[in-house]
Amino acid sequence: GAGVSQTPSNKVTEKGKYVELRCDPISGHTALYWYRQSLGQGPEFLIYFQGTGAADDSGLPNDRFFAVRPEGSVSTLKIQRTERGDSAVYLCASSLSTGTDTQYFGPGTRLTVL
Amino acid sequence: AQKVTQAQTEISVVEKEDVTLDCVYETRDTTYYLFWYKQPPSGELVFLIRRNSFDEQNEISGRYSWNFQKSTSSFNFTITASQVVDSAVYFCALESGATNKLIFGTGTLLAVQP
Repeated sequence: GAGVSQTPSNKVTEKGKYVELRCDPISGHTALYWYRQSLGQGPEFLIYFQGTGAADDSGLPNDRFFAVRPEGSVSTLKIQRTERGDSAVYLCASSLSTGTDTQYFGPGTRLTVL
Repeated sequence: AQKVTQAQTEISVVEKEDVTLDCVYETRDTTYYLFWYKQPPSGELVFLIRRNSFDEQNEISGRYSWNFQKSTSSFNFTITASQVVDSAVYFCALESGATNKLIFGTGTLLAVQP
């Protein structure tokens, strides 16, 4: 079946602009996760959803970052007033449920803030 | 604190050599899960294995094998008879304390030369 999909694959924006990154999880997966991967580093947790609610958003770096999952499927990560330091690959993962089910990752969105 | 250390930044081997990737983890929880993911040049994280803290049996899957030792807090990964297609960055990750977050190491870049 289809894996996790993310759009766009690449996004270039200017400092101060607003961006939205989209994630479509594996069908039937109730848990969805966002991670950020900087160059040469491992992914770092941002937020995860169980269903429609954000169960843990402790990894969001500041209030410019926000994520939603209104119908319990597709999720959007929103970044306001982008800064050059936001440049990274944003990875989405999904799992059947929480409780340590294996997380399967999408191909990521490479965000570049000029 | 929870932490994953992959001390080997880069490893280069010639095809058909065996190679071991090291992973050392830290956690105070008694229940935790360990993972290995592969990230080829395309960028997508590919799940390889999940192991829970109560199962110290070594596992073999084709050319891949994993050695889990709680006494040394290590979860090492060996590729036997390496192939060029094994070239990738390999990440070890920890999920601990039912947090549903994966904590990744910094990864090991494996280059298999023909």
